[in-house]
Amino acid sequence: GAGVSQSPRYKVAKRGQDVALRCDPISGHVSLFWYQQALGQGPEFLTYFQNEAQLDKSGLPSDRFFAERPEGSVSTLKIQRTQQEDSAVYLCASSLGGLETQYFGPGTRLLVL
Amino acid sequence: SQQGEEDPQALSIQEGENATMNCSYKTSINNLQWYRQNSGRGLVHLILIRSNEREKHSGRLRVTLDTSKKSSSLLITASRAADTASYFCATDAEYQGAQKLVFGQGTRLTINP
Repeated sequence: GAGVSQSPRYKVAKRGQDVALRCDPISGHVSLFWYQQALGQGPEFLTYFQNEAQLDKSGLPSDRFFAERPEGSVSTLKIQRTQQEDSAVYLCASSLGGLETQYFGPGTRLLVL
Repeated sequence: SQQGEEDPQALSIQEGENATMNCSYKTSINNLQWYRQNSGRGLVHLILIRSNEREKHSGRLRVTLDTSKKSSSLLITASRAADTASYFCATDAEYQGAQKLVFGQGTRLTINP
């Protein structure tokens, strides 16, 4: 079956530009997570959805970051007025529920110039 | 910030040898997971060990958990070139007031043919 997909795979943005990153989770997965991974580091939690409800957004680094999952399936992570420090790989993961086995997408590599 | 620390940060061994990676964490946990990440790819779940378990096996993988020392180890036996990847431990600890999956910084494993 299809795994988690993310688009675009690569994104180059000029500083100040808004970007939108898409995640298609595995069908039927209730939980969806966004992570940010800097080069050479482990993923860092950004936000968590259970169905359409955003239950935890404590990891979002600033109010420039916004995530939504309006119909409880596809999710979009939006970054407004991108800064160079936003350059990272953004990973999406889904699971049947909660914090057990998570299935990761390939990530979106964002480079802000 | 991340609560897990992996040791060593990098490991290079010959094909056929065993590889051992260690993970330490700070708070009490419900379970601990190990993930693998090939270069430029998303993470792949390897194994989950619960806090009431001490050892778990899956194929060539052996995971131990010592909750008194807040540490875990991942052993890969009879390593293969395809095992070359970064390996991360992740804990579902209550952290900063919320349940979230917290990753360590990873061990970069290189298997030399």
